[in-house]
Amino acid sequence: GEDVEQSLFLSVREGDSSVINCTYTDSSSTYLYWYKQEPGAGLQLLTYIFSNMDMKQDQRLTVLLNKKDKHLSLRIADTQTGDSAIYFCAEILHTGTASKLTFGTGTRLQVTL
Amino acid sequence: ETGVTQSPTHLIKTRGQQVTLRCSSQSGHNTVSWYQQALGQGPQFIFQYYREEENGRGNFPPRFSGLQFPNYSSELNVNALELDDSALYLCGGQGNTGELFFGEGSRLTVL
Repeated sequence: GEDVEQSLFLSVREGDSSVINCTYTDSSSTYLYWYKQEPGAGLQLLTYIFSNMDMKQDQRLTVLLNKKDKHLSLRIADTQTGDSAIYFCAEILHTGTASKLTFGTGTRLQVTL
Repeated sequence: ETGVTQSPTHLIKTRGQQVTLRCSSQSGHNTVSWYQQALGQGPQFIFQYYREEENGRGNFPPRFSGLQFPNYSSELNVNALELDDSALYLCGGQGNTGELFFGEGSRLTVL
């Protein structure tokens, strides 16, 4: 199937680290992505990782990729209230000349004081 | 700021009507994709356009159609609206590594 799976909800305290997990389906995906969606808004690209990498760090964000287990995670260091949002992971699938992103159902991150 | 602009931001239609949603890219993305995001769900791929041709389609009926213009702007048309078409419709311009830069979306409510 094409289901990308994520846990639905995560609550962390401000200043702690957040880890959002994702399991994807297609081992041939060349790139995997993390998007952030704030209430009433579109999707904002946070970061992406090439499939031949194990880790990518971008300021407070760290992406870990385990290709064997098809597992992707996003770690947010020093989580702030502004990080409260829904986070989507996505894999890219190529069909013929087209490419499409398949998204998970999203993880709602709640940051408490 | 993604450089992708969608209009209208919100609209209300009734069942059976038709709707046209628009998308433009200041960054000149030549590959544009449309997604439907129902409440509480992740976005679902509708179709993709490249150089004014549809080159990929998701599991959506033919009453969902699109156009891409020479200036890379794009339209999504939905005929014979159904209640389940109520959703946020997202347009994305594609970058060099396949990533999509989305607009803020058009929120459609069908009554």
